[in-house]
Formats: sequence, structure tokens, C-alpha cells
Amino acid sequence: SAVISQKPSRDICQRGTSLTIQCQVDSQVTMMFWYRQQPGQSLTLIATANQGSEATYESGFVIDKFPISRPNLTFSTLTVSNMSPEDSSIYLCSVRLDRDTIYFGEGSWLTVV
Amino acid sequence: AQSVTQPDIHITVSEGASLELRCNYSYGATPYLFWYVQSPGQGLQLLLKYFSGDTLVQGIKGFEAEFKRSQSSFNLRKPSVHWSDAAEYFCAVGAGSGGYNKLIFGAGTRLAVHP
Repeated sequence: SAVISQKPSRDICQRGTSLTIQCQVDSQVTMMFWYRQQPGQSLTLIATANQGSEATYESGFVIDKFPISRPNLTFSTLTVSNMSPEDSSIYLCSVRLDRDTIYFGEGSWLTVV
Repeated sequence: AQSVTQPDIHITVSEGASLELRCNYSYGATPYLFWYVQSPGQGLQLLLKYFSGDTLVQGIKGFEAEFKRSQSSFNLRKPSVHWSDAAEYFCAVGAGSGGYNKLIFGAGTRLAVHP
């Protein structure tokens, strides 16, 4: 398995500001993913971040709103830009470890006021 | 398009009773199927997965799931539920190229356990 650490674990932010979430993995992985879980909802994939290439965004998500960095094989960041209350969600980092399994971090619980 | 349906939003069982959580998927090829659990205030933990082979798979915490291709189902079962099993359960299918490169989740089933 993989140990995935996310920072911050929780935050309360003012609308209009931006927040960067960090994801650190204890092993080198090719594929990292960012998911969003809105209150009471299921998980939706925001983007796939592979080292050395631009992130691939899912329909409904754009780079200007959710810029992603992937500087190496163990680290990624997701920024939530110009936040509104609708961005209040859990943001989860996940990694694909070998061909078998996708593991998740504990999530970053974001509240926008 | 790939999709996952969990028909039951909430389920309540008594401690010690058996449990079955339903999951139906829509996927053109052989699916990669997963069950995750999310305890209150926690991230997601993998319970079990199915890729191929034996259609009955064993997972952690005493859970098992059975893949039925004819019914496009991957139901999760546990013979005797413990109070600590109260959580949200998500079924997911792996989609995309190279085997799979992303997960599509169902809406989740929230399990409550009565003492």
C-alpha cells in the first residue's frame, strides 16, 4: 500500500481567495489523481496528474480554476482558485500503485465562507 | 458511458445481522471493480477489488463481494455486522485506457448499525 499525506487536513477560507493543497506519497508513483467530494455526495475526478506532463482535466473542471502541479514522482499540489461557497468540499489525492489499486489520502476538508 | 449505481442510499441493520450492499455497473469490457469505505471524518479505505478470476473476492474486515457478469452486479456482503461498520460505502469501476486510469464512483450507501 501507499501512505498518502495531505495538507491542510482542514481549512476555512474566505470567498475570493485561493488555497493550495499538497499531496505527498511515500513512494514513487506515475499516476496521481485529484477527486472532489461535495457535501453528501460521491467522489468526482477533477484531473489526472502525471509527472512531466500537463494535468488532464475531466469535463466540468478547468485549469484556471484548479491548477495542478506535479514536480516529481512523490508530490503534487491542487490549487482551488477564487473560491466560492460552492467549492466547499473534501478534496482527495489518490495514487495508482502498480496496476492493481488506487489508494486515497485522508482528504482536505475545505469550507468557504 | 461507464456508470455505477448503488440503489440504496441508506441502510440500517442491527448489530450481528447480515449485510448486503448492492452495486450495479455499466461498462463495455471486463470491469475492474472496487468497494471503498469512508468512516465519518475519514478518507477512503479499500475493502476489496475484483479484476478477474474467482468471482467471489474476500476483503478486509470480514467483507466479501461477488461479481456476477450476467447481472452486471458486484454486491458487498458481510455475515455479521459490527457497530464499527457504520460508515459510507462506495462501489467504483475502473475506467479508461491501460487497464484503467480513473475510478467512477457510485453515489454511496450510508450504513447505520443499531445496537
